[in-house]
Amino acid sequence: DSGVTQTPKHLITATGQRVTLRCSPRSGDLSVYWYQQSLDQGLQFLIQYYNGEERAKGNILERFSAQQFPDLHSELNLSSLELGDSALYFCASSVAGGLGNTEAFFGQGTRLTVV
Amino acid sequence: GQNIDQPTEMTATEGAIVQINCTYQTSGFNGLFWYQQHAGEAPTFLSYNVLDGLEEKGRFSSFLSRSKGYSYLLLKELQMKDSASYLCAVRDSANQAGTALIFGKGTTLSVSS
Repeated sequence: DSGVTQTPKHLITATGQRVTLRCSPRSGDLSVYWYQQSLDQGLQFLIQYYNGEERAKGNILERFSAQQFPDLHSELNLSSLELGDSALYFCASSVAGGLGNTEAFFGQGTRLTVV
Repeated sequence: GQNIDQPTEMTATEGAIVQINCTYQTSGFNGLFWYQQHAGEAPTFLSYNVLDGLEEKGRFSSFLSRSKGYSYLLLKELQMKDSASYLCAVRDSANQAGTALIFGKGTTLSVSS
């Protein structure tokens, strides 16, 4: 158990809908990262939050957004869902800014299926 | 930008040694990580290199050459449970991705008896 908790584990929804994925980082970790993993693309970095502030953006679509709350949990919002958004969504956390030998710890992921 | 390459698939037999290579091109460099991921599960941390050379951890070792943009993960005394995807990831100090790890597409290793 990495200490990173993601809910829900599975989500099935229809095209055009909006969903929210939730992540609780390890105790004491200030950085949260969101990744998308599909079969053909591997793990794609979406966005990072550090202590409540957006720190960096990767390949995140405009239909997607995220936030980190004062208690450091984070939510990833996916809207106007398309079939191609079906994937595993992982949250990871790391201590402080994540520099040096500070690996990221991954949650078990949310499997999103858009039908 | 970043570019990380690793072979898509490899096969090996129990008890053997396998080397998984990774080459990378990044704007900056602040460490290279190897993760193991079983199908449908979370990636788990295996090793970290930031200086040139070999880091050994039990049956697993990882090597880094920063001048060549090259790393490898060496797995010894292979076991069936080592069948998994092995992900090479780089932290880019150019800060374009914050402190996020940027991953290659992974190498799927199949170990047979």
